[in-house]
Amino acid sequence: DGGITQSPKYLFRKEGQNVTLSCEQNLNHDAMYWYRQDPGQGLRLIYYSQIVNDFQKGDIAEGYSVSREKKESFPLTVTSAQKNPTAFYLCASSIETPGVLFFGSGTQLSVL
Amino acid sequence: EDKVVQSPLSLVVHEGDTVTLNCSYEVTNFRSLLWYKQEKKAPTFLFMLTSSGIEKKSGRLSSILDKKELFSILNITATQTGDSAIYLCAAGSNYQLIWGAGTKLIIKP
Repeated sequence: DGGITQSPKYLFRKEGQNVTLSCEQNLNHDAMYWYRQDPGQGLRLIYYSQIVNDFQKGDIAEGYSVSREKKESFPLTVTSAQKNPTAFYLCASSIETPGVLFFGSGTQLSVL
Repeated sequence: EDKVVQSPLSLVVHEGDTVTLNCSYEVTNFRSLLWYKQEKKAPTFLFMLTSSGIEKKSGRLSSILDKKELFSILNITATQTGDSAIYLCAAGSNYQLIWGAGTKLIIKP
């Protein structure tokens, strides 16, 4: 089955720690995205990538980093510089930008 | 600044009722308007609208776009408890989607 897989479903971060969220897709989509969702707010774009080895900052990139070494994979690292990381993180992909996005099931990140 | 505003923010109705969800937008270089349903985790795609006045329909759900007045509506007829979800709309510009905060819809049996 084609789709987007995010892991883990739940993640806990200690103060000062970097954590990495995984996102893998087998839809052969060129574009991939990371969004943050907080209760009562819309999705906010963290980073996006339109092609391998290239990515751009979204609206709230500070404290986050990404890489796009393979078409299928777009991992997100939440660094210790992100002071308020507790949120639900969604990864998505699309054939074109902008276009219909297909989402993974998300990762809930909490701070210990 | 680009923005998308959804209303109402939450809505509680009884099974069988018809609901109308609203989405207004102000987006530079507007290209499309998308609706998604988010039940628990992953938003699932419902409709993409690019032309004014042409209704898109899927079962009990339908949607229409007004590019002159800059809004879209999502209608759900004969609601069922399985329609309970957060409904998200997003306006597409050249390179990204701008998202509304969502409407939380609760259907009571």
